[in-house]
Amino acid sequence: GNSVTQMEGPVTLSEEAFLTINCTYTATGYPSLFWYVQYPGEGLQLLLKATKADDKGSNKGFEATYRKETTSFHLEKGSVQVSDSAVYFCALSDRYNTDKLIFGTGTRLQVFP
Amino acid sequence: NAGVTQTPKFQVLKTGQSMTLQCAQDMNHEYMSWYRQDPGMGLRLIHYSVGAGITDQGEVPNGYNVSRSTTEDFPLRLLSAAPSQTSVYFCASSYSWGQGAGDTEAFFGQGTRLTVV
Repeated sequence: GNSVTQMEGPVTLSEEAFLTINCTYTATGYPSLFWYVQYPGEGLQLLLKATKADDKGSNKGFEATYRKETTSFHLEKGSVQVSDSAVYFCALSDRYNTDKLIFGTGTRLQVFP
Repeated sequence: NAGVTQTPKFQVLKTGQSMTLQCAQDMNHEYMSWYRQDPGMGLRLIHYSVGAGITDQGEVPNGYNVSRSTTEDFPLRLLSAAPSQTSVYFCASSYSWGQGAGDTEAFFGQGTRLTVV
């Protein structure tokens, strides 16, 4: 079945450090891939997405590239800020076989000044 | 522009009590879903609906009922609350799903934190 695996957190960084959060997936069809972010006390919101192989999603300085050969969609940011502290969820939807979003377990990011 | 609205934000129940978590969206979205969020387990799908009058089970449906009488509303009912249902519940909606529409963004409510004692 379809699944998403994320690196465990928390990830603790100093402001302006480089961020990578790993995400790999298993899917039988042609998944779309997403990163959602959850700020403290709030619901999830879409951060970026990619719908086919080699696509790069980007938003707010975050980037992720859909790598079909390694079944990965790692999230990166060149210089994190304290305001980036949140929980980040990788997710997939298999557009042709299911109606469902499948989430990873989430990775908490803590950025200190 | 309200988006997805969940009520209540917090709730404490005694074991065996029943209650309904409310979810409403004003975006005319076809697809609505309920998730529960537990530490170390991410979000797990409870039930979902692809349109008014149509519902289906997700990954963890036991102990929960849903109905979809209108496009806007998708309530989640706990029939007899158990401590294992202590969790944070999120409702989400999107314009459409499946058959090539799976890259549609999902919009989430702010969540309901439920404690069953």
